[in-house]
Amino acid sequence: KAGVTQTPRYLIKTRGQQVTLSCSPISGHRSVSWYQQTPGQGLQFLFEYFSETQRNKGNFPGRFSGRQFSNSRSEMNVSTLELGDSALYLCASSQAPSVYEQFFGPGTRLTVL
Amino acid sequence: QKEVEQNSGPLSVPEGAIASLNCTYSDRVSQSFFWYRQYSGKSPELIMSIYSNGDKEDGRFTAQLNKASQYVSLLIRDSQPSDSATYLCAVAPYNQGGKLIFGQGTELSVKP
Repeated sequence: KAGVTQTPRYLIKTRGQQVTLSCSPISGHRSVSWYQQTPGQGLQFLFEYFSETQRNKGNFPGRFSGRQFSNSRSEMNVSTLELGDSALYLCASSQAPSVYEQFFGPGTRLTVL
Repeated sequence: QKEVEQNSGPLSVPEGAIASLNCTYSDRVSQSFFWYRQYSGKSPELIMSIYSNGDKEDGRFTAQLNKASQYVSLLIRDSQPSDSATYLCAVAPYNQGGKLIFGQGTELSVKP
């Protein structure tokens, strides 16, 4: 079974731009969660989607948003990029929100200049 | 107090030894606990999940959970150099869907 895929793998943007990251979950998985990983803050929860609905949101500004499509694929968007948004963005999928085992994709490395 | 705390590393053990990684959590009603392994430059990989008090064994890995003490640990027996990685403890808070709270991770180095 194919794992979680994320595109693009690497991205370089400048301050003020916006970016969209994509995630395709494991086949049959319907819940997608997004995390940000930085050396200083570690892995932090951004939000979770199930059945095209955001079920939970972490403590991030409104510049961070996401959505989920009917095929369970998910996208996250960051607008008005700041230097501090440079991070590894990880998507994780699980069968359902009540099934907590989450499997991570390879991540998207975002660099903001 | 951080929600999930782990030993500050790095932890260095000789090949063949037992590596012991520890984690404490603050939310007493948390129900689900996980250990992830993350190699440098890679994404986290789920290696163990545990939901009930006691021990859970999977190959060379044993997870231990003590909810009364709010403590979860991971033992790696017969440590190999390929086990050298950062180990992340994750806790699923009660009734918060798919949210996981991660510790800062413990870097393990297994010396040949």
